[in-house]
Amino acid sequence: ETGVTQSPTHLIKTRGQQVTLRCSSQSGHNTVSWYQQALGQGPQFIFQYYREEENGRGNFPPRFSGLQFPNYSSELNVNALELDDSALYLCASSSGGPDTQYFGPGTRLTVL
Amino acid sequence: AQTVTQSQPEMSVQEAETVTLSCTYDTSESNYYLFWYKQPPSRQMILVIRQEAYKQQNATENRFSVNFQKAAKSFSLKISDSQLGDTAMYFCAFMKHLNTGTASKLTFGTGTRLQVTL
Repeated sequence: ETGVTQSPTHLIKTRGQQVTLRCSSQSGHNTVSWYQQALGQGPQFIFQYYREEENGRGNFPPRFSGLQFPNYSSELNVNALELDDSALYLCASSSGGPDTQYFGPGTRLTVL
Repeated sequence: AQTVTQSQPEMSVQEAETVTLSCTYDTSESNYYLFWYKQPPSRQMILVIRQEAYKQQNATENRFSVNFQKAAKSFSLKISDSQLGDTAMYFCAFMKHLNTGTASKLTFGTGTRLQVTL
């Protein structure tokens, strides 16, 4: 059974640029959640996708957007990057509802 | 809104000893789920243990157990026979019971850094 994978591992961008992060969910999971973890903090919920639809969103601006594909993999897109977007971005997959979320290794984004 | 508080930023324990990490939460929900995750330096968040609020029995997973006090809104993690590989950040997290179509969002505390020493 393949676990949750994320790409790339590290990314460096400059202010104003756009970035796309990718996540492959664990086999059998149909729900993907994205979290942002700033240095020294706990993860903060960005949004969740269930069967290709966004079904919940945290307190993040619209320049944070996402997609989920028919194979349940997902993308997180961030437009007009700001310095404060520098963080570890974590993807988690689950079978939906209150099922346990299993996390990928994360993508470290640095915005200069 | 739910909040999760971890009041111990750092803790240290000797190998083979027992350590308890504290977590309190605030919610008006009566049905919810609580989790402990560990995040080693490799960064990957790993599930340690899960507790359903409707279950009175405390969850256990090998050397890891919880003390769930629903009335006090407290959810502490006990690690027995600590091992060097237990060195990590530990996060307490809350998820409320869901209605159909709502997101299963985890709310995390700020974490406790645990160092296991020889």
